[in-house]
Amino acid sequence: DTGVSQNPRHKITKRGQNVTFRCDPISEHNRLYWYRQTLGQGPEFLTYFQNEAQLEKSRLLSDRFSAERPKGSFSTLEIQRTEQGDSAMYLCASSLDTASEQYFGPGTRLTVT
Amino acid sequence: QQQVKQSPQSLIVQKGGISIINCAYENTAFDYFPWYQQFPGKGPALLIAIRPDVSEKKEGRFTISFNKSAKQFSLHIMDSQPGDSATYFCASSRGAGNEKLTFGTGTRLTIIP
Repeated sequence: DTGVSQNPRHKITKRGQNVTFRCDPISEHNRLYWYRQTLGQGPEFLTYFQNEAQLEKSRLLSDRFSAERPKGSFSTLEIQRTEQGDSAMYLCASSLDTASEQYFGPGTRLTVT
Repeated sequence: QQQVKQSPQSLIVQKGGISIINCAYENTAFDYFPWYQQFPGKGPALLIAIRPDVSEKKEGRFTISFNKSAKQFSLHIMDSQPGDSATYFCASSRGAGNEKLTFGTGTRLTIIP
């Protein structure tokens, strides 16, 4: 399968715990995006990378959220001290910087209890 | 400035009919307009996209109509099938799609036999 992959697919955690999600983009895609989607809403942009450089972060992204893409391949999104409001689907997408199309992974559904 | 408004929120169409979903954007800097299809528990899948230099684009049963002066674009699904039942999101971005996507709120489409 050559699509975007995300792990884990589901994560249940208690409030206050830290969680980390991983995204593996399509091979050779140098742009990688993170979005968050709550029930009944469209995805909202969180941050994106070109290779290993983080080019933009949304104002939605509090200082409890951090994303990395250390070698310009896979990326991780960490949420520290999770809150119930963090419960959502976290989506990763990738693209080539020479093309417009962003391709999404299946998402990681986070439930904070 | 960054908002994308989508309507209707939900739509029921008879099999074989035409499904029409509308979006309006505010930011005149947007120059890439994709539509995504999402099934429950899955990530959004790119359906079709348009740039503002053309007024219409057709791919199979899916057509985008684009009205630059009105800042509106729409998705038409011809010969709608039960398998088309899903949530559809319009989106917009700058930089010919090389930047973050701003999504509409989604339309839940149900095709009835």
